[in-house]
Amino acid sequence: EDQVTQSPEALRLQEGESSSLNCSYTVSGLRGLFWYRQDPGKGPEFLFTLYSAGEEKEKERLKATLTKKESFLHITAPKPEDSATYLCAVQPFRYSSASKIIFGSGTRLSIRP
Amino acid sequence: EAQVTQNPRYLITVTGKKLTVTCSQNMNHEYMSWYRQDPGLGLRQIYYSMNVEVTDKGDVPEGYKVSRKEKRNFPLILESPSPNQTSLYFCASSREHTGELFFGEGSRLTVL
Repeated sequence: EDQVTQSPEALRLQEGESSSLNCSYTVSGLRGLFWYRQDPGKGPEFLFTLYSAGEEKEKERLKATLTKKESFLHITAPKPEDSATYLCAVQPFRYSSASKIIFGSGTRLSIRP
Repeated sequence: EAQVTQNPRYLITVTGKKLTVTCSQNMNHEYMSWYRQDPGLGLRQIYYSMNVEVTDKGDVPEGYKVSRKEKRNFPLILESPSPNQTSLYFCASSREHTGELFFGEGSRLTVL
């Protein structure tokens, strides 16, 4: 069964304290892995797509990496405005469209000034 | 501005009173979908549509209906809402053959 597990559920960091969020997945062939950011009371906002093991994407203080079993979202020197819930999602290879995107439960990240 | 617009954003209703949550996108996307988000369960897909007049069930379709008569609109219909449908609902759209979703702001529904 296709599955996405994110850890930790919640993470509190001091401003400037770098860390990583984990996304483990089980899927019968991976077409794409996605990271989204969700602010309270808002819809998820797309961040990155990763397609193959070894691929990396960066945006400001965020860097996403992918292996054959998991993805990491590394946050370097975070600021309070990086506080949000980060969602990981996978698209099984057998689905060429967004008809089947499986989401994890998210990691709630809080950055203290 | 590219956006997905949902209405209403907040709604409190009673069991059995039919309601519709509207969703409209201005990006000419072929694909649209509805998700519900519940604590600890993440986002779960209710229904999706690949194009006009083409819809299919997601993972949790029971108690919901959809229609896609125009490309830009994808309303979610609750014919007889029940308290277990109390949730935060999101509409999303994307171009064909991509998994990058654009989400609306969400509709928080409470069924008493």
